[in-house]
Amino acid sequence: QVQLVQSGAEVRKPGASVTVSCKASGYTFNSYYLYWVRQAPGQALEWMGRINPSDGSTRYAQKLQGRVTMTSDTSTSTVYMELSRLTSEDTAVYICARPGSNDAFDIWGQGTTVTVSS
Amino acid sequence: QSVLTQPPSASGTPGQRVTLSCFGSSSNIAGNTVNWYQQLPGTAPKVLIYNNDRRPSGVPDRFSGSRSGTAASLVISDLQSEDEGDYLCSAWDDSLSGPVFGGGTKLTVL
Repeated sequence: QVQLVQSGAEVRKPGASVTVSCKASGYTFNSYYLYWVRQAPGQALEWMGRINPSDGSTRYAQKLQGRVTMTSDTSTSTVYMELSRLTSEDTAVYICARPGSNDAFDIWGQGTTVTVSS
Repeated sequence: QSVLTQPPSASGTPGQRVTLSCFGSSSNIAGNTVNWYQQLPGTAPKVLIYNNDRRPSGVPDRFSGSRSGTAASLVISDLQSEDEGDYLCSAWDDSLSGPVFGGGTKLTVL
């Protein structure tokens, strides 16, 4: 079935970087953008950026410009999201999501908890 | 603090009709379509309404959506116990050039 499976939970110290992966299956990987959103404790979902897996083009939220990098590997149908210079405010659940033909997010990853703590 | 504002909670009794609201601004709801998601405990969000008022196949017609100005509404008619969960609104934001979300409304069926 169509699904997005993410990598496991991560713990990092402030100033470090983290990479979260999102492996797609059950559909043509190159045919859909993939978005990354995050949800900090008690906060709403926040858009981080998106990647076009077919050509690797990206668009990032201005707030995260310079700290976030999204890449794709078509050979494994996997996208990666790297966030650098972590602070405690980056503690959140990170989620990849795919918009369907109606532009709503119809497929979601299970979420990856990233904890930033000294 | 979310870009779209939703009341944190709502409740109703079985068979009742409930309306969930989502408030935004000229850069998002007023000029772009609204999507609604239902998130049941322990599951990923599921699309209930897209393009303001369209239902994906399989979503009961008890669920309906509308948009007016900078606000959107989700109406659930004939409330059922299995409707208990979180309801999330989303829209594209022209200022941020990306999607924005509400904080979600937790619906309790009494």
